[in-house]
Amino acid sequence: DIQMTQSPSTLSASIGDRVTITCRASESINSWLAWYQQKPGKAPKFLMYKASTLESGVPSRFSGSGSGTEFTLTISSLQPDDFATYYCQQYNTYPYSFGQGTKLEF
Amino acid sequence: QVQLVESGGGVVQPGRSLRLSCAASGFTFRSYGMHWVRQAPGKGLEWVAVVSYDGSIQRYADSVKGRFTISKDSSKNTLYLQMNSLRAEDTAVYYCTINLVSTGGFDYWGQGTLVTVSS
Repeated sequence: DIQMTQSPSTLSASIGDRVTITCRASESINSWLAWYQQKPGKAPKFLMYKASTLESGVPSRFSGSGSGTEFTLTISSLQPDDFATYYCQQYNTYPYSFGQGTKLEF
Repeated sequence: QVQLVESGGGVVQPGRSLRLSCAASGFTFRSYGMHWVRQAPGKGLEWVAVVSYDGSIQRYADSVKGRFTISKDSSKNTLYLQMNSLRAEDTAVYYCTINLVSTGGFDYWGQGTLVTVSS
């Protein structure tokens, strides 16, 4: 099974900061990676697919990159609404798997 | 608009069974595979199971294989998760979800239903 590892687990930042979250796969997943944002008590929100393609309606301050086993999610200028937990997910092979999450806090 | 509405959660004793449902609307249900994803309290997301568009193929996480069964009824536009031999570690919010538009990833989610396994 493919293991997904995110770093850091927690990230402290301020409004306007540029932040990067890393996601590593235990084997190549090509570019079959998605990113989600989740706020407490809510279902995850789909942000990005195929490693770097932004879902419709997601602000352009979000960007993704990577292929193979190493991926990043970057927020170019943090806004108050961005403080949440972020998850990566591989959909290259079943069983699908998520990273353990990165909590972005003020 | 696309809607996914889960139901059937509750408190159940270890070893017992529970069936979750997910009522779908706003898309051609019979044409899409669907998934269940769960989240234990205070923990991350865990993919649970998938069923193919026609119900003929299922895949499961190792943690639920042999105990859970995913199915879909296209005449009722409803996805199911039959959960048997429940354990404390199955306690979680269960979400139904789908890849509808994009090239992978789950672009629509239900609101979730809480399953608590406790004596």
